[in-house]
Order: sequence, then C-alpha cells, then structure tokens
Amino acid sequence: AQSVTQPDIHITVSEGASLELRCNYSYGATPYLFWYVQSPGQGLQLLLKYFSGDTLVQGIKGFEAEFKRSQSSFNLRKPSVHWSDAAEYFCAVRGNTGANNLFFGTGTRLTVIP
Amino acid sequence: EAGVAQSPRYKIIEKRQSVAFWCNPISGHATLYWYQQILGQGPKLLIQFQNNGVVDDSQLPKDRFSAERLKGVDSTLKIQPAKLEDSAVYLCASSWGGIDTQYFGPGTRLTVL
Repeated sequence: AQSVTQPDIHITVSEGASLELRCNYSYGATPYLFWYVQSPGQGLQLLLKYFSGDTLVQGIKGFEAEFKRSQSSFNLRKPSVHWSDAAEYFCAVRGNTGANNLFFGTGTRLTVIP
Repeated sequence: EAGVAQSPRYKIIEKRQSVAFWCNPISGHATLYWYQQILGQGPKLLIQFQNNGVVDDSQLPKDRFSAERLKGVDSTLKIQPAKLEDSAVYLCASSWGGIDTQYFGPGTRLTVL
C-alpha cells in the first residue's frame, strides 16, 4: 500500500534563506508524486507533480522537487524563501494504476522569520 | 475559470445532530472527491465519484456518513448522527478524469461539541 512520511512537523527559516522539505514515500512501483500547499483557511493548491521523465520538476512560485528512486524521496526545495511562503506543505503519492486515490503525508508547517 | 466551490465554510453542531456539506466541482470535471482532514493530519479520502457513480468509498464510515452526486455535477456529503471525532475540515476536490490532477476547494470546517 502507498504511504508518505514527512519527518519534519515544523520548520522555521529566515526570509531569503533556502528551503528543503523532506518527503519519503512507500510504493512498490514508480509512483506519481505531488506537493500541495495549504494556506490558513484555504484549500490545497498544487505546487508540482512528478509522473515520469526528468527527475527534477519545476513548479509554481519558484519551487522545485527532485525524485530519487534509490532513496524513495521527493524533497521540495526553494532557493530563497519569501514571507508569503509561510503555510502547510503536503506531499502526496498516488499509484500509477487503478483509482486516483491520493495518500497524503501529515504535512510540514513552514514559518518564515522576517 | 471558477474553482471548486464548497459551502458552508464553517459549521458548529452538537453531537448526535446531522449536518450536510455541499460541493460544486470545476465545470466539466467528471471526477469528484471528498476528503476528511483532521487537525494535524493530511487529508484522507472518504469517497470518489466518477460522474454519478461511486468509484471508491472504502474509507467512508457508512453507518453515519453518506454522499451523493445525483446528476453527476454537484455533490452532498452528510453526517448523521455526528460524533465528536468527526470534527475536521471536509475538502472537496475534482479532476477531469480518474487519473488527472485534483483541484481542491477551500473546505468546510466542522466542529462537533
């Protein structure tokens, strides 16, 4: 069965600093991987996704993520964080067959210090 | 393009009462999902519709939860009777088809007292 682990519950970074949010997945075959962002009181917005091909994927708002099969990881990165990036970030996995069920991690809350 | 619409945004009820949530997906999206997001956790799928048929409801507590999408467009999720542990945000999402990117609504925050 698919599952996702986000080991960091809460991360604090200074504005302008680089960011890396960790995501590890469990799935028997090549998964479909997603990062979503959720601002307070808002729904989830898709940042980026990986289905196949180039393992480094670019997303919106300057985010990127790298799929590493050997480490079962899909970490999210941003070279310079803005105060508006403060939010909850969720990694999700979906199997590449069958239903379109997304399995989400527990999320990482990002705080940005001015 | 309008996004996924949900109402109400907030609801407070007492345990054993009933409550209903409404979702209108993005126009043309055939697949609709309901997720439950308990505080401190990621969203968990409750039910998935393809047009007006149920694709997956394996995680739906059917003794108290029900959902319908009668005309294959908007959907209603009902809880009857509510329990304290049902306090959560209920998210609706939609996609073009069963394998496409899901787009989420703002959610309904339910508090059961």
